[in-house]
Amino acid sequence: AQSVAQPEDQVNVAEGNPLTVKCTYSVSGNPYLFWYVQYPNRGLQFLLKYITGDNLVKGSYGFEAEFNKSQTSFHLKKPSALVSDSALYFCAVRAVTGGFKTIFGAGTRLFVKA
Amino acid sequence: GAVVSQHPSWVICKSGTSVKIECRSLDFQATTMFWYRQFPKQSLMLMATSNEGSKATYEQGVEKDKFLINHASLTLSTLTVTSAHPEDSSFYICSARDDRSSYNEQFFGPGTRLTVL
Repeated sequence: AQSVAQPEDQVNVAEGNPLTVKCTYSVSGNPYLFWYVQYPNRGLQFLLKYITGDNLVKGSYGFEAEFNKSQTSFHLKKPSALVSDSALYFCAVRAVTGGFKTIFGAGTRLFVKA
Repeated sequence: GAVVSQHPSWVICKSGTSVKIECRSLDFQATTMFWYRQFPKQSLMLMATSNEGSKATYEQGVEKDKFLINHASLTLSTLTVTSAHPEDSSFYICSARDDRSSYNEQFFGPGTRLTVL
């Protein structure tokens, strides 16, 4: 069975500092990995995905993530955080097989302080 | 990217009534759609996989008689919450798998907030 772990409920960072939101996954076979962001009372916004190819993936709003197969991780990063980045971030995994289901992590709330 | 809509965006109903939520893929066909629910400050939990022309596949613990899913066309899936109770209040989000995508690209709807009084 596939699963996603986001070990931090909350991440606090000062504006202008780099941020990292952690994600590890478990899936049979090759994974498709995703990051989404959710603002209060809104749906999901897609940030970036890893399907194949280059392990470093660049996405929307200056975010990037690195796929690490040996550590089964897909941490989200941004070199310089903005207050407007404060939101709820979800990591998700989809197995290549298994009905195309997308399984979400528990979410990490990011607070960026001015 | 492709667009998925949900209707209504929010609904308030009385306990015991049924509520239908629509999920539409606006510019692509989706043989498969997914329904999630999200409780406040929690993650998205997959409820069921909706398959056009066949029965939905429900995740463990989800009552199929409570949450009726119909996928009547390649662009529309509906979720009906039957005999709704306050504990069914939640944020319901659908996603649609693009049939054209070689890696099963999925797009999410904006969500429907259900409040049962």
